[in-house]
Amino acid sequence: NAGVMQNPRHLVRRRGQEARLRCSPMKGHSHVYWYRQLPEEGLKFMVYLQKENIIDESGMPKERFSAEFPKEGPSILRIQQVVRGDSAAYFCASSPGEGNEQFFGPGTRLTVL
Amino acid sequence: GENVEQHPSTLSVQEGDSAVIKCTYSDSASNYFPWYKQELGKRPQLIIDIRSNVGEKKDQRIAVTLNKTAKHFSLHITETQPEDSAVYFCAARAGKSTFGDGTTLTVKP
Repeated sequence: NAGVMQNPRHLVRRRGQEARLRCSPMKGHSHVYWYRQLPEEGLKFMVYLQKENIIDESGMPKERFSAEFPKEGPSILRIQQVVRGDSAAYFCASSPGEGNEQFFGPGTRLTVL
Repeated sequence: GENVEQHPSTLSVQEGDSAVIKCTYSDSASNYFPWYKQELGKRPQLIIDIRSNVGEKKDQRIAVTLNKTAKHFSLHITETQPEDSAVYFCAARAGKSTFGDGTTLTVKP
C-alpha cells in the first residue's frame, strides 16, 4: 500500500505565476488535509477536504488560494499569482475518516523567486 | 477555534535523561491528540497518539498523558538517545487538526 504521494517535490516559480501542488492520498483514504510550514515554524492548517467537498477551509487565505479533491484524481492546491511570502513547504495528509490518524506526504517545497 | 500552545520551544538533554514536552488546548470538543516527530527536511511522522477516553498511553520509551479537565497533554521520552533529536509537534483534533508550534529536542551524547 503506497503512502501519501505529493508532486512535485520541489517547485520553483517566479512572482505572478501559478503553482499547482498535487496530493494522492493513501488507498482507501477519502479525507485530505493541506498544511503549510514556513522554515523553522510549525504546521499551519489550510484546508480539509473529502471527495468533491470542502469541509473546512478556515486556514486558507481568502485570495489566490484554492483547493479541490475531485471524484477522480489527486487533490490539488492551487496558488495563483504567487508572491515571495508563499515560499514554504506544503504538506498534505490523508486519513480514512475524521477521527483517524493522518498520514503525511513528503511535502512540496515551493520557492518563489 | 482551537488554540494549541506547546512548551518548551527548545529542549536540550543529556543522553539517557528524560524529556517532557507539554501542550494545552482550548476546545473541549477536541477528542484526538497525536504527537509527531519531524526530522530536518522530512515529513512529520506519528509517534504516539491518545484519545479523549484514555488518560495515559505508553509505547516503549514514549508515553503520553492527557488531562481533559485541565485541557493539557504531555509527551514523555525516557532514556533519550541522540536519534531522538528532532522537532516534536503536538496536535489537537476536532475535525481538523491544530498543531502546536513545535519543540526542538537536542539529545547530547
